[in-house]
Amino acid sequence: EPEVTQTPSHQVTQMGQEVILRCVPISNHLYFYWYRQILGQKVEFLVSFYNNEISEKSEIFDDQFSVERPDGSNFTLKIRSTKLEDSAMYFCASQRQGTEAFFGQGTRLTVV
Amino acid sequence: GQQLNQSPQSMFIQEGEDVSMNCTSSSIFNTWLWYKQDPGEGPVLLIALYKAGELTSNGRLTAQFGITRKDSFLNISASIPSDVGIYFCAGQGVSGNTGKLIFGQGTTLQVKP
Repeated sequence: EPEVTQTPSHQVTQMGQEVILRCVPISNHLYFYWYRQILGQKVEFLVSFYNNEISEKSEIFDDQFSVERPDGSNFTLKIRSTKLEDSAMYFCASQRQGTEAFFGQGTRLTVV
Repeated sequence: GQQLNQSPQSMFIQEGEDVSMNCTSSSIFNTWLWYKQDPGEGPVLLIALYKAGELTSNGRLTAQFGITRKDSFLNISASIPSDVGIYFCAGQGVSGNTGKLIFGQGTTLQVKP
């Protein structure tokens, strides 16, 4: 069964460093999302992406965040200068019209 | 912004018991979904509801989309130890079943064998 794949599974980074979280969505999906989940809290929407552009973003998704679909298969989330409060699980999800969103296993980001 | 209120926050039940959890919102949603999350994993879809009043079953799980489109419940019958996890409701407001999901706070379920 096709699945959304995220790498790495765990990333530890120093405060102020840039990180790139990678996702390979399901191949025939056209809608892509990033969510985050701070430990013990609910899943929060960050950004949605369709037709090579951001379709919606939350107030969490500030200028430090960016997304890219560089090669037609990968979907990346970049955090330019990480802060301690960016520590969370980051989930990628993909979807095609008429079906539900499928989530990846997540990347645990720890900023120290 | 849109928010979902999910209750109860946690439940500790005996194996074999039935479980019920629900979500309410002040906003209307076009789609309600129920996900389960195991520790260290991503949310896994259990049931999707697309029409107001819809009642859908998936094995021991039953969920309903409230007639006002502002609420939903999930029932689990005859619970087993592998039902342990965190259950999230999620609403989607955009027609066509795409767009961001708004998640509830989650219900942590523990099942005693």
